Amino acid sequence: QKEVEQDPGPLSVPEGAIVSLNCTYSNSAFQYFMWYRQYSRKGPELLMYTYSSGNKEDGRFTAQVDKSSKYISLFIRDSQPSDSATYLCAMKGAGSYQLTFGKGTKLSVIP
Amino acid sequence: GAVVSQHPSWVICKSGTSVKIECRSLDFQATTMFWYRQFPKQSLMLMATSNEGSKATYEQGVEKDKFLINHASLTLSTLTVTSAHPEDSSFYICSARGTGIDSNEKLFFGSGTQLSVL
Repeated sequence: QKEVEQDPGPLSVPEGAIVSLNCTYSNSAFQYFMWYRQYSRKGPELLMYTYSSGNKEDGRFTAQVDKSSKYISLFIRDSQPSDSATYLCAMKGAGSYQLTFGKGTKLSVIP
Repeated sequence: GAVVSQHPSWVICKSGTSVKIECRSLDFQATTMFWYRQFPKQSLMLMATSNEGSKATYEQGVEKDKFLINHASLTLSTLTVTSAHPEDSSFYICSARGTGIDSNEKLFFGSGTQLSVL
């Protein structure tokens, strides 16, 4: 079993839809959780950063962490065509700077 | 967020030649830099970790003599792919963490370099 599992998609939704992206993990040492957005042939851009169970909201984005279930989610409200990209979850343990990434989910928002 | 500049964004080279990729932190001092490789439709795979002024730590399976990493200053790290072969063709991305930015727990990524070896 891989440390981080993420459905690669692709996921296609109409403009304005709510998007739900998810990752599961097996390593209970992971304490910090991130979501990155990566456009084609570009470096990942940090979207959300959380370290506790619960929800964190930033504009149209909500990150959710459930440490008991080892499950994290990213919700995108009112999705836009410009949200079309690959979304990577990443996580790391306390005191470590090495990230473990999911494979990424490719999202397409259709106008 | 902090800015990490990576250059070049695209390079094509002949088999057997060496290619150097630069990674610069523009508005902070990067105490640690990371080099990743990403194959199509795959996740980022960590190749090595470098701390300023010391030798890089390579992940298992990464040839340190092939992928030379230099982190001589707090704002610059370089990755040199020596004697490149077609199987080295990939997307290489650097990331950096440092002090003096909003949180030293966060990593910021360069824009990546697409290497194509003919």
